[in-house]
Amino acid sequence: DGGITQSPKYLFRKEGQNVTLSCEQNLNHDAMYWYRQDPGQGLRLIYYSQIVNDFQKGDIAEGYSVSREKKESFPLTVTSAQKNPTAFYLCASSQAGRLYEQYFGPGTRLTVT
Amino acid sequence: GQQVMQIPQYQHVQEGEDFTTYCNSSTTLSNIQWYKQRPGGHPVFLIQLVKSGEVKKQKRLTFQFGEAKKNSSLHITATQTTDVGTYFCAVPDQTGANNLFFGTGTRLTVIP
Repeated sequence: DGGITQSPKYLFRKEGQNVTLSCEQNLNHDAMYWYRQDPGQGLRLIYYSQIVNDFQKGDIAEGYSVSREKKESFPLTVTSAQKNPTAFYLCASSQAGRLYEQYFGPGTRLTVT
Repeated sequence: GQQVMQIPQYQHVQEGEDFTTYCNSSTTLSNIQWYKQRPGGHPVFLIQLVKSGEVKKQKRLTFQFGEAKKNSSLHITATQTTDVGTYFCAVPDQTGANNLFFGTGTRLTVIP
């Protein structure tokens, strides 16, 4: 069964703690992306990676970090420096290039109190 | 920064009525994609338009790319409750990076 998995679906953390969100894909896609979505809002790009061991900041990278050590995996760490981390986080993947559609995972709802 | 205007932001329709959402860019686009996100779900790719003036249909959905390749529309004929969700357009990042910039979306509510 091909697709993108994100875990967990819901995550609760105390303020001041770092938390890592998982994203795995078995679609053999080179490119992977992390988006943040706030209630009633669109998608904002946090980080993206076009190839293993390389990634670039998106529009709202502050307070987040990523790694891309394997083609299949693109974990996102929400650090304590992120001032308003409560949000819905979506991971996506695609073939490299602008003309390819993105496939999204089911998302992780992070609540920080 | 890059701007993609999507209107309306919200739309409530009676079941059976038609619905249209518009996506407008200040710059010429090489292509545009449309996604649908059901409530509580994740975005799902619907279609991509590449050619000037292109029109594509998927059952009751009609997608159009403007002649100047600066705007696009999604029209749903005779809405059904299954059409509920938020519709996003997505355009190539104008910085040249190989990623997409998503519009703010149009949230469609269908009243049975």
